[in-house]
Amino acid sequence: GNSVTQMEGPVTLSEEAFLTINCTYTATGYPSLFWYVQYPGEGLQLLLKATKADDKGSNKGFEATYRKETTSFHLEKGSVQVSDSAVYFCALTEGSGYSTLTFGKGTMLLVSP
Amino acid sequence: GAVVSQHPSWVICKSGTSVKIECRSLDFQATTMFWYRQFPKQSLMLMATSNEGSKATYEQGVEKDKFLINHASLTLSTLTVTSAHPEDSSFYICSAQPPAGGMDEQFFGPGTRLTVL
Repeated sequence: GNSVTQMEGPVTLSEEAFLTINCTYTATGYPSLFWYVQYPGEGLQLLLKATKADDKGSNKGFEATYRKETTSFHLEKGSVQVSDSAVYFCALTEGSGYSTLTFGKGTMLLVSP
Repeated sequence: GAVVSQHPSWVICKSGTSVKIECRSLDFQATTMFWYRQFPKQSLMLMATSNEGSKATYEQGVEKDKFLINHASLTLSTLTVTSAHPEDSSFYICSAQPPAGGMDEQFFGPGTRLTVL
């Protein structure tokens, strides 16, 4: 079956530090990959996505590259802000279109001034 | 972008009562809606997949008689927690997906915090 593995948190950084949150996946087909962000007390918001190998998703300074050879989709940001403090979920669907999401356990990011 | 709303945003009820949570897609039609449950500091667990006009498909271990799902229209799905107990206290999140061939992602509601006393 499908699965997503994320690095455990919390990840604690100072403002303007470089961020990496690791994500690896197992899938039987050709998944689409997603990063979602959840701010305290809120639902999930799509942060970025990639639908095929070597695609790079990017949004709000965050980026992640779909690496089929390493089955990875690591999230990076060059300079984090306090407002980036949230829980980040890596997820996949089996192919594009009509499919359920499989989520990782989430990684909490705490950014201090 | 596509917007999904949930109502209520939070609810407190007594043990043994039933609670209904609504999920609406505000600016698109959703043939499929999903219901998730999230425990503190944990990931989302898919409870069921709801298709408009048909019975919901429940994930293994989810009691369909306890968590009643109705998807009566292309913009509304409801989750009713029947005879709620304290262990049902959780954060319930819905998502909606446009018909296949449209946007290939789910759009999430803001969640409903249920507390059962």
